Formats: sequence, C-alpha cells, structure tokens
Amino acid sequence: GENVEQHPSTLSVQEGDSAVIKCTYSDSASNYFPWYKQELGKGPQLIIDIRSNVGEKKDQRIAVTLNKTAKHFSLHITETQPEDSAVYFCAASLSGSARQLTFGSGTQLTVLP
Amino acid sequence: DSGVTQTPKHLITATGQRVTLRCSPRSGDLSVYWYQQSLDQGLQFLIQYYNGEERAKGNILERFSAQQFPDLHSELNLSSLELGDSALYFCASSPHVAGGPNEQYFGPGTRLTVT
Repeated sequence: GENVEQHPSTLSVQEGDSAVIKCTYSDSASNYFPWYKQELGKGPQLIIDIRSNVGEKKDQRIAVTLNKTAKHFSLHITETQPEDSAVYFCAASLSGSARQLTFGSGTQLTVLP
Repeated sequence: DSGVTQTPKHLITATGQRVTLRCSPRSGDLSVYWYQQSLDQGLQFLIQYYNGEERAKGNILERFSAQQFPDLHSELNLSSLELGDSALYFCASSPHVAGGPNEQYFGPGTRLTVT
C-alpha cells in the first residue's frame, strides 16, 4: 500500500518568514495530494491540494509543488502569521473508486511573534 | 465549518462496552470515510462507504463495523472496547464524482476515552 513520509516533525519560524514542509510517497499510481491544517481540538481542514497533472498550485500565501518523477511534494507558506501555527498533514490518494487518504505523520508549525 | 457533523463530541466508556459514533456528510456528498487519529498511529483510514455500499477497508479491526444509511448518514460501531481504542474518530465526506475532485472534508471528530 501507499506510504507517505513527512518532514520535519516540528518547525519554528519567525513571523513573516517562510515555512516549507516536505512529503514523499511510495505509490507511483497516486495522483491526488491534499494538505490539511489541524488546530487543537478540531478536525483537519483542507487548505490546498494538487493533482498529478499539475506541477504547482498557489492560493494567496500558500503554494504546493509536486515532483512526480521524484515522488515528492511540498507545502510552502510565505509571510507566516501566528494564526498559521497548527499541525499540518500531507496526504496521498488514488482517483479510482477507493479514494482513501494515506496521511503523513504531521508537522507542528509554530510561528513566533 | 466543513458542513460535516459528528455526534457525540466526547464519549467516555468502560472496557468491554459498545458505542456508536454518528456522522452526517455535507449536503450532496455520496462518500463517507472514517479515520482514527491516535498519538502513536497518526491518522489512519478505517473504512469508506459510497452511496450506501462499502467501497474500501483499511486498518479496521473486526470488532469495528460501519454502515451508511439511505439518507447517507453513517454510523461507526465499536464493540468489546479496549484501552487502546481510545482515540479521535473522524468522519470525512466527498462528492466522489467519477474522474472528478476527491476533496475530503472532515468533521469535528468524536473523542473516545475507554477507561
């Protein structure tokens, strides 16, 4: 089955700096890669996703890049703010009838004011 | 607010007992997924239903079962509970359009504590 590895497990940045979280996946058939933000006591919130026919996608301060050859994808957050502090999860899935997500282990991002 | 609702928010029960967790998907979503989140295992897929039928199974124990009803809400049944079943249980829903988007939207979760 699919295996997703995520690094780093913790990340501290100064407010205004950029943060980068990286993930690798094992199943070359995976073609959908979402990122979730989870705040304490809440469910994961979808913040951005990318499909295998796209190399990069941007939404305001958040961007995701995908390298299918190397089987890795990354989340970039620019101009970080204290409210960006949360746990971020990457995930991968196929697009067939069974579309369950395989998650990375999470990154605790702390933005220091 | 994702539009996915889960009840109850918290559940405390004893070992050996049985509980039922309930999920209502977003309006129009046909697929429901159940995930377990624990400190040592992270977020793990349990089971998926699509329009009332089981579609995929993950690391779901035989003591656990689920179903999706005609109104598309889903229930996850956990029986013969053990201390290790204590975790957050999330439901997610997706529109599941063939060849289309696969965005999954998560509910707020049910925190299960087995004592």
